[in-house]
Parts: sequence; C-alpha cells; structure tokens
Amino acid sequence: RKEVEQDPGPFNVPEGATVAFNCTYSNSASQSFFWYRQDCRKEPKLLMSVYSSGNEDGRFTAQLNRASQYISLLIRDSKLSDSATYLCVVTVTGNQFYFGTGTSLTVIP
Amino acid sequence: GAGVSQSPSNKVTEKGKDVELRCDPISGHTALYWYRQSLGQGLEFLIYFQGNSAPDKSGLPSDRFSAERTGGSVSTLTIQRTQQEDSAVYLCASSAWANEQFFGPGTRLTVL
Repeated sequence: RKEVEQDPGPFNVPEGATVAFNCTYSNSASQSFFWYRQDCRKEPKLLMSVYSSGNEDGRFTAQLNRASQYISLLIRDSKLSDSATYLCVVTVTGNQFYFGTGTSLTVIP
Repeated sequence: GAGVSQSPSNKVTEKGKDVELRCDPISGHTALYWYRQSLGQGLEFLIYFQGNSAPDKSGLPSDRFSAERTGGSVSTLTIQRTQQEDSAVYLCASSAWANEQFFGPGTRLTVL
C-alpha cells in the first residue's frame, strides 16, 4: 500500500468555481502534512502546511482528519493561474517525506 | 537568499555512459533528497542524507545508482551505464528538520 494516495484527476473546473482535493495516508504515526504545487515542467513548491486545527491562506483552506487519515485542500474562486498539479505530502519520521502522485487541476476560462 | 541549485540543467547522453548530477542545497539545511520524475508521473524517492548519518538509500532503483554528499553540503548523484529508462527529471531538495522541502530546478536527463 502506498504511503500517500491521491485522486489523479484531472479536475477541469470553470473560473470562479470551488474545488476540493482529498488525500489519504496509510501511517497513523505521520507527523507533518503539506500541500505542494507543481506547474508543468517546473519543480514542486510549497503551497501550504496543514495543521491539526485546519488553516486558511486566502482562497486556500487545508484540513487534516487524523482519525480518518486524510487531508484536504479547498480552493475557492478558482483562477486560471491555479491550474497546476497539487501534491499531497506527508512525513512519518522527521525527515522522511512521502509524496502523492498529484492531482491535476485545469481552470477553464 | 540562494535557493537549491542543480547542474547541469539538461544532459543528453548515450546509452552505457556514466553521468554525474550535482546539487547545491540551501546553506544550513541538514537534509538533502534526490527524486526522479518521469514525464507525467509522480515523484520517485531515490535517496536522502541527514547530517552525518548514514544515507537512506532505499529508493535507489539499482546498483547503477549512487550518491554522495561531501562535507554535509554538495551532493552528486551518479548513474553508471545509463539506460533509456533512466531518462527523467532528477530533482534535488533540501530542508531543515521536518520543515518544508525546497526543490532545485532539476536536471533533465535524456539517454539516447
């Protein structure tokens, strides 16, 4: 079983829509959680960390559910510039990072 | 400040040749990672270094792959006797303990 699993999509949504991605992780001892964004032919970059109480950064909201072992990312009012692949990342021990295969999002004009 | 840098940015080689890929992490980051990503695929973990500890080599796909990290800073990933299936983007990342990883721009390797 993979450490981290994501729906690969693709998600194609119109501008202004709200879209949500989920990610499940297999190890209950997982410690830290992140969402990364990867643009086409570019390196991944941190979008946001995910905290136990949930956190928001502008149009982006991340949630963590430890009991069910999933994290989510909600994007409100989608922009064309949000088109990218979104990677779910989990750490088990302090420095072992596990990446999901990513969810592809295309925002359509 | 300077981010993670990698060189070369592109490398084209012939099957059977050896290649070396270099990564300069962010100064002060104790952890350094190597991944590879084939076109349209997710990140495949290769190896990571943490300070002076023995590296975690569990992701290396074969004994043709090896990596070193000298002086706790620069790292070199070496692929011997390259094969066409080695063609991918090789990404290096560094981090402080349990914090976000910062990625370099990658080296695009093409094996003809």
